[in-house]
Amino acid sequence: ETGVTQSPTHLIKTRGQQVTLRCSSQSGHNTVSWYQQALGQGPQFIFQYYREEENGRGNFPPRFSGLQFPNYSSELNVNALELDDSALYLCASSSPTSGSLYEQFFGPGTRLTVL
Amino acid sequence: GNSVTQMEGPVTLSEEAFLTINCTYTATGYPSLFWYVQYPGEGLQLLLKATKADDKGSNKGFEATYRKETTSFHLEKGSVQVSDSAVYFCALSGMNTGFQKLVFGTGTRLLVSP
Repeated sequence: ETGVTQSPTHLIKTRGQQVTLRCSSQSGHNTVSWYQQALGQGPQFIFQYYREEENGRGNFPPRFSGLQFPNYSSELNVNALELDDSALYLCASSSPTSGSLYEQFFGPGTRLTVL
Repeated sequence: GNSVTQMEGPVTLSEEAFLTINCTYTATGYPSLFWYVQYPGEGLQLLLKATKADDKGSNKGFEATYRKETTSFHLEKGSVQVSDSAVYFCALSGMNTGFQKLVFGTGTRLLVSP
């Protein structure tokens, strides 16, 4: 069973640029959640995709956007990068059963540095 | 809104010492509670979980009990090893209008010396 994978591992961008981060979910999982983890902080929920549609969003501006593809892999796009966007971006996949607890499996993350 | 508060680190212990990392939460309804561990350079791994009051989660010698009356979920281990050195995150999860998200504490770094 292949776990959650993310690419790239590290990325350096400058302010104002745009970035795309990628995530492949674990086999059989149809839900992907994205989290931002600033240095020394806990992860913060960005949004969640279920069957190719966004079904939940945290307190992040619209310049954070995403996609989910038919194979359930996902992208996180960030436009007009700011210095505060520097963080570890974590992707988690899961397979929820309606109304029940489900476990989220995390990838290793992408470290984004904005200069 | 929902929130999680963890004790600040780092927690520095000698091998075989007893570990406690405190975690308290604020939430509406009946959340599920988790402990995740993050080793250097890696993503998060689920360590243990509890879904209702008085449940005890356990894994790899770690334990935590869901205490609704004190809104706590403290992590304990009787004898830590050097390999337990990592950052530990307490988290809660609850349903939000049809989707589930995790709310994390700020993390507690554990350093275990031989």
